[in-house]
Amino acid sequence: GENVEQHPSTLSVQEGDSAVIKCTYSDSASNYFPWYKQELGKRPQLIIDIRSNVGEKKDQRIAVTLNKTAKHFSLHITETQPEDSAVYFCAASMGGGSSGSARQLTFGSGTQLTVLP
Amino acid sequence: EPEVTQTPSHQVTQMGQEVILRCVPISNHLYFYWYRQILGQKVEFLVSFYNNEISEKSEIFDDQFSVERPDGSNFTLKIRSTKLEDSAMYFCASLGPMYEQFFGPGTRLTVL
Repeated sequence: GENVEQHPSTLSVQEGDSAVIKCTYSDSASNYFPWYKQELGKRPQLIIDIRSNVGEKKDQRIAVTLNKTAKHFSLHITETQPEDSAVYFCAASMGGGSSGSARQLTFGSGTQLTVLP
Repeated sequence: EPEVTQTPSHQVTQMGQEVILRCVPISNHLYFYWYRQILGQKVEFLVSFYNNEISEKSEIFDDQFSVERPDGSNFTLKIRSTKLEDSAMYFCASLGPMYEQFFGPGTRLTVL
């Protein structure tokens, strides 16, 4: 089955700096890669996702890049703010396409991001 | 904006007891999921459900677990005889039109 590795496990940055979190996946059939932000005791919140037909996607201060050949994808947060502090999870799945199936998400182990004021 | 809801938010039970965790997925979504997250660990897939039957399940989802959609809105996870290691946060999710999964707020299950 799919295996997702995520690094680093903890990341501290100064407010205003950029943060980068990296994930690798094992199954070349995976085609959907979401990123979730989870604050303490709260639900995982989808913040951005990317599909295998594109290499980069951006939404304001957040961007995700995907390298299908190397089977890795990364989350980039620019101009970090204290409210960005949370655990970030990457995930991979197979979904959509002609079969219409929607497979389960396989999550990485999470990155605790701390933005220091 | 519609959200997945779950009840109860916290369930405390004795080992060996049965528990039922409830979820109301987003209306018009067709795929539903249960995940669990042991404290401090990653989110793990348990089961997916589509068209009133299990679509996929993980090794965690053994004979002690079952899922049901008893009516048009609720989606339940039952654990027949809870074990200490079942203590975790249980998240329900439903699948949006672009294959994104939306998570509920979770039920914290504590087995004593």
